[in-house]
Amino acid sequence: AQSVAQPEDQVNVAEGNPLTVKCTYSVSGNPYLFWYVQYPNRGLQFLLKYITGDNLVKGSYGFEAEFNKSQTSFHLKKPSALVSDSALYFCAVRPRQNAGNNRKLIWGLGTSLAVNP
Amino acid sequence: DGGITQSPKYLFRKEGQNVTLSCEQNLNHDAMYWYRQDPGQGLRLIYYSQIVNDFQKGDIAEGYSVSREKKESFPLTVTSAQKNPTAFYLCASSGGTSGHPSTDTQYFGPGTRLTVL
Repeated sequence: AQSVAQPEDQVNVAEGNPLTVKCTYSVSGNPYLFWYVQYPNRGLQFLLKYITGDNLVKGSYGFEAEFNKSQTSFHLKKPSALVSDSALYFCAVRPRQNAGNNRKLIWGLGTSLAVNP
Repeated sequence: DGGITQSPKYLFRKEGQNVTLSCEQNLNHDAMYWYRQDPGQGLRLIYYSQIVNDFQKGDIAEGYSVSREKKESFPLTVTSAQKNPTAFYLCASSGGTSGHPSTDTQYFGPGTRLTVL
């Protein structure tokens, strides 16, 4: 079965330190990859996506993500964390081979990021 | 959250009642989605619609119904057949005139928190 794994339920990092939120996937072929962020009691906000090309994708709020085909990973990174980055982060994948115009996403369970002052 | 509105923000339902959650978008998107979010379970797809007057069941459609009579509107009814409806409900939309639909980004509304009394 196709799946997305976010192996860490929670990540803690000190403000100013680099942060990484991990995502791996089990999907055939070269899927499209997405990251979203959710603040408490809010909807999800789109951060970035990988479609093709450069393996390093830059997104909103200083976040970036690196696509690694051999490791089937798409880890989210930021060079210097802010307290305001504390939120729930979701990785999502759309298989490239889906028939027709299928837009359904396969979602990870989310990682809670806590940035300590 | 811009461009997609959900109402109400909070909704309380007595057991045995049907309730309808509103979702409206002004992004001219073709596709719309309803997700349910429970703590620790990520996002689960209830229903989705890729075009007006057409919709498909997602992974957890039992106890829910939808309609898509207008492009901008995709209301969700939680029926009395849904045994555990207390959750956070998220509506999303995607699809524009550029690119292939499979690369579309989903954009989310602010959510409705439904509580069964």
